[in-house]
Amino acid sequence: KQEVTQIPAALSVPEGENLVLNCSFTDSAIYNLQWFRQDPGKGLTSLLLIQSSQREQTSGRLNASLDKSSGRSTLYIAASQPGDSATYLCAVEARGAGSYQLTFGKGTKLSVIP
Amino acid sequence: NAGVTQTPKFRVLKTGQSMTLLCAQDMNHEYMYWYRQDPGMGLRLIHYSVGEGTTAKGEVPDGYNVSRLKKQNFLLGLESAAPSQTSVYFCASRRDPRGGRARYNEQFFGPGTRLTVL
Repeated sequence: KQEVTQIPAALSVPEGENLVLNCSFTDSAIYNLQWFRQDPGKGLTSLLLIQSSQREQTSGRLNASLDKSSGRSTLYIAASQPGDSATYLCAVEARGAGSYQLTFGKGTKLSVIP
Repeated sequence: NAGVTQTPKFRVLKTGQSMTLLCAQDMNHEYMYWYRQDPGMGLRLIHYSVGEGTTAKGEVPDGYNVSRLKKQNFLLGLESAAPSQTSVYFCASRRDPRGGRARYNEQFFGPGTRLTVL
């Protein structure tokens, strides 16, 4: 069974700092990995999707990397802003059983201090 | 486009009562999903549907039923609510992922329904 782990569970940084969020998964047979943002009391917003054949994806100040063989992904946020404060969730879609379904990590709660 | 919408936004039930949560999407997506989110547990898949008239069980289906009578709607039912079903429920949809590059399309989520069972 696929398991997704996100470390740390919470992170607090001063505004302007670059930061990295980590995601690891136990089964490397995946189709894609997706990073989401969740604001308090809100739904999930998709940030980036990395296909299994890709190494990274970029969107603005966000860069997500994928190392499928080691079962790891990182989300890099450059020049953090208070508006980046949210919970960031990582999810993988596995091949085979459970295909077309996402398995989520428990998230990293990010606080950017002005 | 409204994207994925959920009704209601909040609901309080007593143990044993029943209710239906409605999810609607206007993106003509084939696949739809129901998740629950609990503190310390992350999001877990309850049921999903790969097209109109089809449903399948996810990781935590017990105590829930679903129906997909129309392509744009996916209903989640609780026949006899229990306190353990207190949670935030999210619906999601995606284009048919089967075949070619469609395999790599993303899921879009609704704003959630906060359900409390007393």
